[in-house]
Amino acid sequence: NAGVTQTPKFQVLKTGQSMTLQCAQDMNHEYMSWYRQDPGMGLRLIHYSVGAGITDQGEVPNGYNVSRSTTEDFPLRLLSAAPSQTSVYFCASSYRSRGQGSNEQFFGPGTRLTVL
Amino acid sequence: AQSVTQPDIHITVSEGASLELRCNYSYGATPYLFWYVQSPGQGLQLLLKYFSGDTLVQGIKGFEAEFKRSQSSFNLRKPSVHWSDAAEYFCAVGARSNDYKLSFGAGTTVTVRA
Repeated sequence: NAGVTQTPKFQVLKTGQSMTLQCAQDMNHEYMSWYRQDPGMGLRLIHYSVGAGITDQGEVPNGYNVSRSTTEDFPLRLLSAAPSQTSVYFCASSYRSRGQGSNEQFFGPGTRLTVL
Repeated sequence: AQSVTQPDIHITVSEGASLELRCNYSYGATPYLFWYVQSPGQGLQLLLKYFSGDTLVQGIKGFEAEFKRSQSSFNLRKPSVHWSDAAEYFCAVGARSNDYKLSFGAGTTVTVRA
């Protein structure tokens, strides 16, 4: 298994440009989520999905869109990039616990995004 | 909503010395608790987790953590630190009613000196 993969690893955008960060997992996990990591702030949840066709907002959703058409893929779209979106972005996935305790979230290697 | 506080931003420890990283959580019931480690330029790796039962949890790489309900804490410990333990460590809390959403602390950076 490749686990959770993210592309690209690095990206530089100009203000106002759009782009999609790709995330895929091959573990048949129901839950997928996107976090951003900023110095001194830990990881903050952007959007998450509990299954194909179902998404919801996390703590910091503004400026980002997501969709989940398949179990495997969960892309994150920046429609009009802003310097405040300069960050490291992590995708994560996990099984649904069904009341058996929260499961480990598996993280991708991250995408480092700079918006000029 | 749950939240996590990691009071120490940066800790420096000598190789071979013991390490303790503090984590305090806020949640109205017994939470799910996790410690993750992030090596430079890498993603996060799970060290250990607490769901219920024994309050002393053993993890990978020789780490352990103790859940103390009375103190709302879940401190991470290692008896003897190796140079490879230099990394950033994150404590996270999950709610039993919503177990796929984790709240992370700001992280503690550990530097190991020879």
